[in-house]
Amino acid sequence: GAGVSQTPSNKVTEKGKYVELRCDPISGHTALYWYRQSLGQGPEFLIYFQGTGAADDSGLPNDRFFAVRPEGSVSTLKIQRTERGDSAVYLCASSRRPRPEDTQYFGPGTRLTVL
Amino acid sequence: SQKIEQNSEALNIQEGKTATLTCNYTNYSPAYLQWYRQDPGRGPVFLLLIRENEKEKRKERLKVTFDTTLKQSLFHITASQPADSATYLCALLRDDKIIFGKGTRLHILP
Repeated sequence: GAGVSQTPSNKVTEKGKYVELRCDPISGHTALYWYRQSLGQGPEFLIYFQGTGAADDSGLPNDRFFAVRPEGSVSTLKIQRTERGDSAVYLCASSRRPRPEDTQYFGPGTRLTVL
Repeated sequence: SQKIEQNSEALNIQEGKTATLTCNYTNYSPAYLQWYRQDPGRGPVFLLLIRENEKEKRKERLKVTFDTTLKQSLFHITASQPADSATYLCALLRDDKIIFGKGTRLHILP
């Protein structure tokens, strides 16, 4: 595709519910990253995939957060038992190679609001 | 812990002047430093990467410096235009991860 796409663009849910956020990376990009950005803050690293496997999930805040990338392309970030503090913009990025200096291309983000 | 500081206040610059944004970091010696631009409702867009052995990098009207002794990077936009108004994020690469600063909002006044 032309760029990284994320769906939905906005998600409003109630406390305690389960949500899934989807990321479609640029075709052929092997590395995929998830970040969370709160208002007035920079993006905060959550998890990084190299192909199908999670190469580094050290940024996931707790075990309510989980992400998959079963075929090495599309990724889904899953949040169980959502809390109000989970409200933020969730950003996805991809890069051609899983090297830190490779340019990461970001999607527009999914704005999650937990009521 | 790693800390990245950027100008916390918004920066207002007159059109045509040079805008200079500051990024200071502590407790780490990154191999690379990056600058991104972020517009409201959009994801960050990569602008420039500078390596620890490079003092300065240029791209069109943009210039980045990297002083590993001072632990500081400066980001300059020359001949600034209203279209340059955005939030600019400094980011360090550490352990295969990007650590972002909070960003500085830049307003170029016509």
